[in-house]
Amino acid sequence: AQSVTQPDIHITVSEGASLELRCNYSYGATPYLFWYVQSPGQGLQLLLKYFSGDTLVQGIKGFEAEFKRSQSSFNLRKPSVHWSDAAEYFCAVGASRGTSYGKLTFGQGTILTVHP
Amino acid sequence: GAVVSQHPSWVICKSGTSVKIECRSLDFQATTMFWYRQFPKQSLMLMATSNEGSKATYEQGVEKDKFLINHASLTLSTLTVTSAHPEDSSFYICSARRLAGLETQYFGPGTRLLVL
Repeated sequence: AQSVTQPDIHITVSEGASLELRCNYSYGATPYLFWYVQSPGQGLQLLLKYFSGDTLVQGIKGFEAEFKRSQSSFNLRKPSVHWSDAAEYFCAVGASRGTSYGKLTFGQGTILTVHP
Repeated sequence: GAVVSQHPSWVICKSGTSVKIECRSLDFQATTMFWYRQFPKQSLMLMATSNEGSKATYEQGVEKDKFLINHASLTLSTLTVTSAHPEDSSFYICSARRLAGLETQYFGPGTRLLVL
């Protein structure tokens, strides 16, 4: 079964600073990887996804993530954070084969606070 | 594109009553819809997978007689919480996967259920 770990429950950065949110996964094959953002009381918005190919993935709102197979990681980065980026971020792994095909397993989430 | 709606956005009900939540894909056909549950400050937990025209597949520990799922068309799935109790209070989120194309799930805005 797949699993996802987001080691940081809460991160605080200053506006304009760079950001990196960590995500480690466990899955027996090449996974599908996703980053979603959730604002308070809202559903999830897809930031970016990795299925195959280039391991550096560009997403919306200036976010990018890099798939590192050797480290089982898919960290999310942004060079300069804006106050509107304050939200909760979820990393997810999707099963790429088998009876769980397409099912997503989410990490615990990382709450991002942005100081002015 | 890829908009998913949920109705209602929030509902308060008395213990013992049943509540129906609708999930619609507004601009695409969804062969598969997923239902998640999210407790405060926690991650999303998959409850069940719903395929159009067939019975839903429930995750381990989810009572199928309590959480009735119907996926009658390619754009509509419903979740009925039967004989709701206070412990069923939660944020319920659906997602939909396209008929064809990449395996991305698009999420609805969620339904907050409070059982008194």
